[in-house]
Amino acid sequence: QKEVEQDPGPLSVPEGAIVSLNCTYSNSAFQYFMWYRQYSRKGPELLMYTYSSGNKEDGRFTAQVDKSSKYISLFIRDSQPSDSATYLCASMLSGTYKYIFGTGTRLKVLA
Amino acid sequence: DAGVIQSPRHEVTEMGQEVTLRCKPISGHNSLFWYRQTMMRGLELLIYFNNNVPIDDSGMPEDRFSAKMPNASFSTLKIQPSEPRDSAVYFCASSRGSQGEEKLFFGSGTQLSVL
Repeated sequence: QKEVEQDPGPLSVPEGAIVSLNCTYSNSAFQYFMWYRQYSRKGPELLMYTYSSGNKEDGRFTAQVDKSSKYISLFIRDSQPSDSATYLCASMLSGTYKYIFGTGTRLKVLA
Repeated sequence: DAGVIQSPRHEVTEMGQEVTLRCKPISGHNSLFWYRQTMMRGLELLIYFNNNVPIDDSGMPEDRFSAKMPNASFSTLKIQPSEPRDSAVYFCASSRGSQGEEKLFFGSGTQLSVL
């Protein structure tokens, strides 16, 4: 079992839809949770970053961590074609350098 | 800031040849990471440097892979001899610190194809 699991998709939604992207993780000691967005032929770029449980909002994006169920979510409101990309979740133990990445979910937002 | 700079963007080589990938981290960042990305396995950490010193190379697949960081602004990842199963996208990333509270910044990657 991988430490961080993601559904690879692809996920296709119409423009303006609310998108829900999800990951599960197995190590209950993980404290840091990140979402990276990766456009085709580019490197991943940090989108959202949370520490421990709870919600974090940034514009149209909301990251949610539920440590009781080991579930990480990213919600995108009013999705745009420019949101079409692969979204990678990542987790990390406190005090370490090792990011553990999911394999990514490919999202297509149709105009 | 120019971000993390990697070269070349694309590399096509024949099996058995030596391949060298290059990386310039963001100025002031003291941690550097090499990752490999494939469809099947996603992003895998190959090696981690802190202050130019290799801290963890447990992800380096075989002795055919080696990495160096001669100074704070340059790192190389070398594969010798290369094999078709090494075909992947190789990313370099840097961060300001060495622990989770410091964010990771990636380069654009090197697409390696070994024929």
